[in-house]
Amino acid sequence: SQQGEEDPQALSIQEGENATMNCSYKTSINNLQWYRQNSGRGLVHLILIRSNEREKHSGRLRVTLDTSKKSSSLLITASRAADTASYFCATGFTGGGNKLTFGTGTQLKVEL
Amino acid sequence: EAGVAQSPRYKIIEKRQSVAFWCNPISGHATLYWYQQILGQGPKLLIQFQNNGVVDDSQLPKDRFSAERLKGVDSTLKIQPAKLEDSAVYLCASSADRYSNQPQHFGDGTRLSIL
Repeated sequence: SQQGEEDPQALSIQEGENATMNCSYKTSINNLQWYRQNSGRGLVHLILIRSNEREKHSGRLRVTLDTSKKSSSLLITASRAADTASYFCATGFTGGGNKLTFGTGTQLKVEL
Repeated sequence: EAGVAQSPRYKIIEKRQSVAFWCNPISGHATLYWYQQILGQGPKLLIQFQNNGVVDDSQLPKDRFSAERLKGVDSTLKIQPAKLEDSAVYLCASSADRYSNQPQHFGDGTRLSIL
């Protein structure tokens, strides 16, 4: 079963705008990761945030984690057409042996 | 470094036939994962190996699916016999080890269509 639910399911924005995707999960986690998947390709790891961290940055990406609300958000600033892809959150559990449970994904379309 | 290699990229078979997928992980990665991704959904873990041993196969339909990683490097996933609901993309991933907080590196997958 899917652990996380991404919101929105689909998002369409103009190039240069910011894109925000949210992820909610159900059980306690050890870490939360975000992945990108281009059409017809495998998943690419973007960023990992541990359960004791609240915010993390990587280039144009900003991830926040609120363990009290069991939610995370991914912000992509100044989006580009090349950011068009599906974005998935994945949760890992203490003692889970690096096993990840993926959410349902957000389809992002960035238009020129 | 070379990424995770998978073959074939596409496979079309009829129901009740058998099929096999191959994966070669990133060199030195001890942990290997097979996922099933149905259209419009996130990947679902089927089986996880640590070297040549199985760590978790709780979601593998063992009556029809099997997987092996005999020498602790490359791996094969087999379906026999295939059902219509097995139509999906089968993704292989690897990580340095099975301890928490490790990113997973994915191959481009095998897209399986069952007629």
